[in-house]
Amino acid sequence: SQTIHQWPATLVQPVGSPLSLECTVEGTSNPNLYWYRQAAGRGLQLLFYSIGIGQISSEVPQNLSASRPQDRQFILSSKKLLLSDSGFYLCAWFGRGSYNEQFFGPGTRLTVL
Amino acid sequence: DQQVKQNSPSLSVQEGRISILNCDYTNSMFDYFLWYKKYPAEGPTFLISISSIKDKNEDGRFTVFLNKSAKHLSLHIVPSQPGDSAVYFCAASAGSNYKLTFGKGTLLTVNP
Repeated sequence: SQTIHQWPATLVQPVGSPLSLECTVEGTSNPNLYWYRQAAGRGLQLLFYSIGIGQISSEVPQNLSASRPQDRQFILSSKKLLLSDSGFYLCAWFGRGSYNEQFFGPGTRLTVL
Repeated sequence: DQQVKQNSPSLSVQEGRISILNCDYTNSMFDYFLWYKKYPAEGPTFLISISSIKDKNEDGRFTVFLNKSAKHLSLHIVPSQPGDSAVYFCAASAGSNYKLTFGKGTLLTVNP
């Protein structure tokens, strides 16, 4: 069966510091991978998605970047965090099949102070 | 421009009764719709989905109805249980781009 991991689970960082969040998927190959953010009181906003190694599409202009160095690894980064980057970050994967269900990881709570 | 709207931020129902969660969309290209359930500090879990070629899909206590002419879908939970208390997100996708557009969610509270 497939599993998706995210770490760290929680993170408190000062404004201006760098960020690296990691997501890995097990039990599948060549998945589509996604990064979402849920800000306080908001819905799920798609930030980046990737259909393969080195292929990244950005959905909204922002202070963040994403990379996919390996087939089942997706990394969310920032060089300098802003207060507005605080939120709950979720990684998801999609395996090509009949349906468009995406499956989510446990998330990372990021607080920027 | 919000393409998927959940106009009720919260809903409260009694245990054993029906919960009806609503979702409206504006993009006529959407052809697949999903409902997710989310507990605090956890990732969303997939509940049920429906293709635009259907108007109803049922899975146990959960039924999703799709009205394409009204661009409206709803999730019915019968009977509601306290463990159903969570935020429910409606999502939609168009064609084979595999991207989901989510609504802002509805907080369902089922009272014992």
